[in-house]
Amino acid sequence: DAGVIQSPRHEVTEMGQEVTLRCKPISGHDYLFWYRQTMMRGLELLIYFNNNVPIDDSGMPEDRFSAKMPNASFSTLKIQPSEPRDSAVYFCASNTRDRANWLYGYTFGSGTRLTVV
Amino acid sequence: AQTVTQSQPEMSVQEAETVTLSCTYDTSESDYYLFWYKQPPSRQMILVIRQEAYKQQNATENRFSVNFQKAAKSFSLKISDSQLGDAAMYFCAYRSANAGGTSYGKLTFGQGTILTVHP
Repeated sequence: DAGVIQSPRHEVTEMGQEVTLRCKPISGHDYLFWYRQTMMRGLELLIYFNNNVPIDDSGMPEDRFSAKMPNASFSTLKIQPSEPRDSAVYFCASNTRDRANWLYGYTFGSGTRLTVV
Repeated sequence: AQTVTQSQPEMSVQEAETVTLSCTYDTSESDYYLFWYKQPPSRQMILVIRQEAYKQQNATENRFSVNFQKAAKSFSLKISDSQLGDAAMYFCAYRSANAGGTSYGKLTFGQGTILTVHP
């Protein structure tokens, strides 16, 4: 398996523009997580899905952020409109319900570094 | 809600020496998992070691070992024979195993400790 795939790896956009980050989880994983990493706040969970259904979106900072998972193999995180304070590294991770696999933690993607200027 | 605290923003160690990174957590649950992740400059999150709360024996993975003190809610990482490649940000993380809990399935991370290894 190619692991969790995120795109793009880097994104530079102007304030006010719409940004869409993409994630393909590992096949067979039924949990998908979006995290944001900044120097000030560390790793924050934004939202997570189980079987394509959002379970907890309490970490989504504002209405400008939205996430979807239309099927088991694809998820998006959208920011509209973007602001400079959204600059961060955004990680996607996936995992399975099978407790035997929990010992392996999550499988993380390589992250998207977003810069909003 | 569970919280994870890493009180050492930065640590340094000489190559071949031993270093211990601290982590404490707060939870009312009895069944959970604890992890240490490494994040090198490439920013890839790499699982280093994990511990099941119901196991009293401390986990060990080659040069990496943990000191798990459940009553004290402490989960420190010891790196022996430190190597230059160990230089990275290290994160402690907690995962609930309580299927009925609101935090089921998600990892809660500490703020991280930057480890520098001196040659």
